[in-house]
Amino acid sequence: QITLKESGPTLVKPTQTLTLTCTFSGFSLTSSGVAVGWIRQPPGKALEWLALIYSDDDKRYSPSLNSRLTITKDSSKNQVVLTMTDMDPVDTATYFCAHCVVYTDSLRNYFGSWGQGTLVTVSS
Amino acid sequence: SYEVTQPPSVSVSPGQTASITCSGENLGHKYVCWYQQKPGQSPVLVIYADAKRPSGIPERFSGSNSGNTATLTISGAQAMDEADYFCQAWVRNTVVFGGGTRLTVL
Repeated sequence: QITLKESGPTLVKPTQTLTLTCTFSGFSLTSSGVAVGWIRQPPGKALEWLALIYSDDDKRYSPSLNSRLTITKDSSKNQVVLTMTDMDPVDTATYFCAHCVVYTDSLRNYFGSWGQGTLVTVSS
Repeated sequence: SYEVTQPPSVSVSPGQTASITCSGENLGHKYVCWYQQKPGQSPVLVIYADAKRPSGIPERFSGSNSGNTATLTISGAQAMDEADYFCQAWVRNTVVFGGGTRLTVL
């Protein structure tokens, strides 16, 4: 059974850097065909993809947020960390991490399991 | 940047068929996933690779994708299907989500 859980601060101030940790079980990020992604959802709004890290340490970022995001993994701890710099009130959202099933052509990849999400509020 | 568009809302009577569309340029050349999200819950994958159902997803959920439009069809909609539905595609190794469609069963 695959499980993921997000952790991190619930409140950050504008201009601060947000660091979120995704701790997972039921799969290994050292195996091929696996990735972990981050997706966020402002209250009452749509899902927005942020970043993805593959088992081979290849990384992909949302083009609109690329300059503010860094994704890393610690496979020995079964953790993936996302940092987002220069936080703004518009970044207030629930942040999800998700297990991604990866195909060789990448086009059929999907997020098969999601964490419960963590609400991050940006306010002074 | 590539965008996919969904209608904000769709209504269906119980037992009838609901169709939720997702539109984008040449979307039929990409693979589309669909996620169901109920209030206060995390998204759940209901369709991947255009038309495949994960284990545990009822057969009343089906998908198709051709031309510029992907469609999620719920045959014999039930009250428990009332939720937000998001389509998702991969574009040049990045992920794109649609704006979501609220399905009301009444």
